[in-house]
Amino acid sequence: AQSVTQLDSHVSVSEGTPVLLRCNYSSSYSPSLFWYVQHPNKGLQLLLKYTSAATLVKGINGFEAEFKKSETSFHLTKPSAHMSDAAEYFCVVSARVTGTASKLTFGTGTRLQVTL
Amino acid sequence: DAGVIQSPRHEVTEMGQEVTLRCKPISGHNSLFWYRQTMMRGLELLIYFNNNVPIDDSGMPEDRFSAKMPNASFSTLKIQPSEPRDSAVYFCASSLAGILNQPQHFGDGTRLSIL
Repeated sequence: AQSVTQLDSHVSVSEGTPVLLRCNYSSSYSPSLFWYVQHPNKGLQLLLKYTSAATLVKGINGFEAEFKKSETSFHLTKPSAHMSDAAEYFCVVSARVTGTASKLTFGTGTRLQVTL
Repeated sequence: DAGVIQSPRHEVTEMGQEVTLRCKPISGHNSLFWYRQTMMRGLELLIYFNNNVPIDDSGMPEDRFSAKMPNASFSTLKIQPSEPRDSAVYFCASSLAGILNQPQHFGDGTRLSIL
């Protein structure tokens, strides 16, 4: 069984300040983890993924995430927020379900607000 | 490179009518997923296909919902008869199975309103 918990439903930061979106996971296997972003009226876009290679993963738009097995965490960070980063962010864990097919389990999302 | 294409983008119809949502996955992807997103329940996986075969439809809410994938480049999600509680955004996603843990690529969704 697997699950993912996003610790904050809403985060507000000022433009130019760091962003931290927190995610903890639970998985019976070595997990693959993803962060997706959803802008209003759009689908989910992949930001970055962890698949058991380097524990620090760099994604698009300056985001990165660090996989910490001891803490079962996969927090998303960005050094300096931009107004265009305002969106909903989903932490996702992947598990194999049959053969090489995998199924995603989504967190409940964190809404990031960026203020001037 | 075209992404996942969904149609229509918006659908407004009256209760009791049949609704058909369409999805064209990314060419070469052999896994396809249908999701529903609401404020109350977040993102829910309804059904997914692997090589055009339904693998898990346990998320389909009830018999009013059905999904088909007649070929590798097209899938439909049908609701008959529709009810107001079906109002949601429905997403289709595709991925490349055969390589573990490939990310899913999402379409822009169909916003469905049942009056």
